[in-house]
Amino acid sequence: DTAVSQTPKYLVTQMGNDKSIKCEQNLGHDTMYWYKQDSKKFLKIMFSYNNKELIINETVPNRFSPKSPDKAHLNLHINSLELGDSAVYFCASSQDRETGGEETQYFGPGTRLLVL
Amino acid sequence: KQEVTQIPAALSVPEGENLVLNCSFTDSAIYNLQWFRQDPGKGLTSLLLIQSSQREQTSGRLNASLDKSSGRSTLYIAASQPGDSATYLCAVGLSTGSQGNLIFGKGTKLSVKP
Repeated sequence: DTAVSQTPKYLVTQMGNDKSIKCEQNLGHDTMYWYKQDSKKFLKIMFSYNNKELIINETVPNRFSPKSPDKAHLNLHINSLELGDSAVYFCASSQDRETGGEETQYFGPGTRLLVL
Repeated sequence: KQEVTQIPAALSVPEGENLVLNCSFTDSAIYNLQWFRQDPGKGLTSLLLIQSSQREQTSGRLNASLDKSSGRSTLYIAASQPGDSATYLCAVGLSTGSQGNLIFGKGTKLSVKP
């Protein structure tokens, strides 16, 4: 069973379009994250979210917005896509230690976004 | 601002050798530290997590150590195998909960030759 899943796996789109990437975790975790891995393979946090708060990395453009319909999902919406948005986007989840978890982050397989 | 550095950027060793990957971080006020493995074109697999109060963790042929005061962690791989070839990423966690996002190093690309 896949613990953290993302769809789609690949996404090719034109500049200016709006797109969404879905993330689901079946681990019962209470915190979810989005990371961006650039062409140099460097991973950087974009958002972290649980039912208490959303933490946004200040370097993330406001064209990016996370949406959580429920505890098991954290989708990433991107408006007005730009060439520089091309990257691999990873979703992750973890369980807080104060709620009995060990804080290990489990990652999805990634979504490879190419903006033309 | 927390920065994570991994040295070397790439490493090639013959099969069977023991090896050490290094990770350093600039701010010792960390919550935990995780080591991940990433295979080409794939996601990340968590290998070991060390809480800030711990000195080391072991899983099979892997041993990770943490020295918070000096801002260092090492990942020791015993009796390396070709299947260990991957990029190894070190990441520090700054806090718990939704602030528990990880700050990653740029990774060490390991190649184990048969």
